[in-house]
Amino acid sequence: AQSVSQHNHHVILSEAASLELGCNYSYGGTVNLFWYVQYPGQHLQLLLKYFSGDPLVKGIKGFEAEFIKSKFSFNLRKPSVQWSDTAEYFCAVNPDNNDMRFGAGTRLTVKP
Amino acid sequence: ETGVTQSPTHLIKTRGQQVTLRCSSQSGHNTVSWYQQALGQGPQFIFQYYREEENGRGNFPPRFSGLQFPNYSSELNVNALELDDSALYLCASSSPGVGYGYTFGSGTRLTVV
Repeated sequence: AQSVSQHNHHVILSEAASLELGCNYSYGGTVNLFWYVQYPGQHLQLLLKYFSGDPLVKGIKGFEAEFIKSKFSFNLRKPSVQWSDTAEYFCAVNPDNNDMRFGAGTRLTVKP
Repeated sequence: ETGVTQSPTHLIKTRGQQVTLRCSSQSGHNTVSWYQQALGQGPQFIFQYYREEENGRGNFPPRFSGLQFPNYSSELNVNALELDDSALYLCASSSPGVGYGYTFGSGTRLTVV
């Protein structure tokens, strides 16, 4: 079945640690890829997106993601996390410009 | 530019009742998508409306229905509410095009008792 998989349900890091959240998808063909963030009590916000070109995408707040087509992956990274990065992170895929499909999310807790 | 607004923010209904949730899309967006987000899960696609027509549907029963109006605002209707319908319902607006992202509203928290 077509799906979006996020490997980690809950990640706990200390401030200044590096972050990598995994995302794999199983859709074929052309896909647009996204990472969204949901801070506690707030709505989903777009962190970054990829649709073509340089597979290393830079987003807001120091986040970046790398699209590896051969691995069907779009992992999210940040070199040094802050307490304010505590949130839920969702990977999403938009296959063939149709509706957006989300992964189950990864909860990130950053300890001060 | 205005964002996506949803109403109401919270709602409590009894099993078997019907509910209507509303969404105003972001200025310039003509597509509205609805998602159900259960606690601890990712948003699940319900359906999408483009120019007042349904433009795709997820794995939800027919008691979930929708409308889109000429001003691109939208409604989600759920009949015969079940306890499992308790969730955060998200509306997102967008415009067709390669690599576009969705703008999400803050959601309506529906509790069915």
